[in-house]
Parts: sequence; C-alpha cells; structure tokens
Amino acid sequence: GQQVQQSPASLVLQEGENAELQCNFSSTATQLQWFYQRPGGSLVSLLYNPSGTKHTGRLTSTTVTKERRSSLHISSSQITDSGTYFCAMEPGANTGKLTFGHGTILRVHP
Amino acid sequence: ETAVFQTPNYHVTQVGNEVSFNCKQTLGHDTMYWYKQDSKKLLKIMFSYNNKQLIVNETVPRRFSPQSSDKAHLNLRIKSVEPEDSAVYLCASSYYTGQLYFGEGSKLTVL
Repeated sequence: GQQVQQSPASLVLQEGENAELQCNFSSTATQLQWFYQRPGGSLVSLLYNPSGTKHTGRLTSTTVTKERRSSLHISSSQITDSGTYFCAMEPGANTGKLTFGHGTILRVHP
Repeated sequence: ETAVFQTPNYHVTQVGNEVSFNCKQTLGHDTMYWYKQDSKKLLKIMFSYNNKQLIVNETVPRRFSPQSSDKAHLNLRIKSVEPEDSAVYLCASSYYTGQLYFGEGSKLTVL
C-alpha cells in the first residue's frame, strides 16, 4: 500500500485564507520533509521537520512521530503560493531514500 | 540559490538512442540521488550514492546506470531509451539521511 498519503489532493483558496495540508505515513519516519513545486519548476525544500514544530515565514509544520503524521500550515496565502506541495519521509532508519506522497495541488485566487 | 546543477535541462531523442544526464553539487554533501518524476508528478527514487558507493538501487530497468566519479558528481546514463522513459529526472544531494536539495530537473522526451 501507499506509504505516504497526502490530503487533500487539491485545494482552492482565496488570497489571504489559510491552508492546512496533511501527510500521513504508514511506518515510522526517521526523516520528514516538505517540498514545493511550481508547474514546470524544480522541487524546493520548504521545511525539514522529522519531529515537533518548525516555522519559516508564513509556513508552520508540525510532525507527530508517534501518530505518523505531519501537517503544513500556510497562513495568509498568496497567489504565488500556487503549486504542488509534497511530503516525503524516510521509512526506517538510515535507508538513504525518501518516499514521496502524491502531493497536494494548491490554487490561490485573487 | 541553486547548488545542485543538472545538465541538460531538456532533451528530446528517439527510441533506442543513448542519453546521459549530468549532476554536480557544490554543497559538500556526501550523498547524491536520482529521482524520476512521471507525468502524474509522482516521484520515485532510482539510485543513491554515499561517498561514491551505491547504497540504494531501486528496481529500474538495466538500461539505466548511475556513474559517480566523486562525491560531488552523479551522472545518469540511459543506454537505449524507451517511450516510457519520458519523464523529468531530478538529481538531489544531502548529508546522509539529512535534508535533500534538488536540482532543476532534466526533462526527457522520447519520440
């Protein structure tokens, strides 16, 4: 089965609204990272957060390792936030590979 | 700020040809990766190298072969491309089990 599940699959917001993206994984994660990809663009690392809460700018990630979940909160969304957000985790210690979810497509309208 | 460099960024070729993608990182990382992103945007790891040693080799066709000259370089060669190889190939680097940094990707189109 799929090891990393992201929800929702897509999300449409008005500019200024907040977004909450979820990531659930089926095994213990020793590493958890959130990425952003603009259409046709490269993958940009947003937050590296294997446990606890991390902030950067308008982004907040909370990972609860025991519950095998992580969330990404985007406050005061902007049109330029539109794109695909990926959650990726390392399933087990020192495997040297990240397993990605299918992504959440975010569209922010004016 | 791009610190993982991939070339070429785009390549169009015909079935049966050989293709090579080059990747270099200037971050001083000891681990490099190749991921494949398909038309549905799903990302899957293909290979990873730690200090020039192959540590991950997922089930990929034999026509794919990684080549590492040192820990800052990891190239990907495809011996005889097939239509299903059309995808974006993404190189990444990290310290072992640390945060990954990706290059801009190499989009391959096989006619």
